[in-house]
Amino acid sequence: DSGVTQTPKHLITATGQRVTLRCSPRSGDLSVYWYQQSLDQGLQFLIQYYNGEERAKGNILERFSAQQFPDLHSELNLSSLELGDSALYFCASSAALAGGVADTQYFGPGTRLTVL
Amino acid sequence: ELKVEQNPLFLSMQEGKNYTIYCNYSTTSDRLYWYRQDPGKSLESLFVLLSNGAVKQEGRLMASLDTKARLSTLHITAAVHDLSATYFCAVDMYMRFGAGTRLTVKP
Repeated sequence: DSGVTQTPKHLITATGQRVTLRCSPRSGDLSVYWYQQSLDQGLQFLIQYYNGEERAKGNILERFSAQQFPDLHSELNLSSLELGDSALYFCASSAALAGGVADTQYFGPGTRLTVL
Repeated sequence: ELKVEQNPLFLSMQEGKNYTIYCNYSTTSDRLYWYRQDPGKSLESLFVLLSNGAVKQEGRLMASLDTKARLSTLHITAAVHDLSATYFCAVDMYMRFGAGTRLTVKP
């Protein structure tokens, strides 16, 4: 158990809908990262937050957005869902801002999103 | 754009044998990560390599980094069935992942 929690574990929805995925980082970790894993694209970095502020963006679509709240939990919002958005979405946390020495990332169990 | 290539993508080994997984990347980076993923599970951090020449070992796995060659290796010694998993390397602070190497260790 990495100490990172994600809810829900599974999510089934229809095209065009909007969903919110939630992540609670390990206690004390200030950085939260979101990743998408699919058969087509592999593992892709989406976005990083550090202590409530966006720090880096990867291959995140404009239909997707995220935020990190004062209690450090994070939410990933996916809207206007398409079939191709079906994937496993991982959240990870680390103690440091990315680039710091102690930036080992600890991954949550993931949310499996199925868009029908 | 940073590209990360792992090879082989599939590896079937017999227990007790040694093998190496390679991770090549296309642009300069001073950090490289190795992760393990079991089927249907999340990623588990194995190694963080932060400098040229870094070598780390944990059990039957040893990882090394050559930043000049833009190459990292994950060496498996005397493989056991429990090592069966997919292994990913990731480069730079924002984790550009390789495609993964699916390792199967057979008795």
